[in-house]
Amino acid sequence: EAGVAQSPRYKIIEKRQSVAFWCNPISGHATLYWYQQILGQGPKLLIQFQNNGVVDDSQLPKDRFSAERLKGVDSTLKIQPAKLEDSAVYLCASSKVPIGRGNEAFFGQGTRLTVV
Amino acid sequence: SQQGEEDPQALSIQEGENATMNCSYKTSINNLQWYRQNSGRGLVHLILIRSNEREKHSGRLRVTLDTSKKSSSLLITASRAADTASYFCATADSGQNCVFGPGTRWSVLP
Repeated sequence: EAGVAQSPRYKIIEKRQSVAFWCNPISGHATLYWYQQILGQGPKLLIQFQNNGVVDDSQLPKDRFSAERLKGVDSTLKIQPAKLEDSAVYLCASSKVPIGRGNEAFFGQGTRLTVV
Repeated sequence: SQQGEEDPQALSIQEGENATMNCSYKTSINNLQWYRQNSGRGLVHLILIRSNEREKHSGRLRVTLDTSKKSSSLLITASRAADTASYFCATADSGQNCVFGPGTRWSVLP
């Protein structure tokens, strides 16, 4: 079974530039998550999709972050404009059903973003 | 917040020893999960325990859950150098939300 694929693996941008991350979840997984992990901290949920609908985006800074999941499969996360504090690893994860219902999440390798 | 918090924040042990890390949380949960993260990698699921369970085993892992104390422990027996990683507990409530703690950085010394 192929895992969760993310690209790019690394990205360095200047502040105020824009950046986009891509995620391809495991086939058949209806739930997709984007997490932000700042160095030395645990992952923080940014947004959760169920198929192509948003379940939870309460911690997504909507003035600069946006995400979509077209056709309920692949997803993109965009930051525009980036700030220095956005430097982090952005993790995509997927699960068959939401984690709260007792399913494990499978994580991609993440995209390490550095904003300079 | 329901966020779990692991204890200790960092731990170093010798290869072959057992190690225990704890997770405390604040609100009611549906299940609690433990994940491992090797440096520069994504998280890998280790074990899930539901709110109506008290103990689960998986290989060298043993997880306990005490809902009255709102705490869980992860025991890893006969540790190996390859177990060196950060370990996170994640609590999931009935609202489908899953929240990760700050993690325990665990080093196994040869």
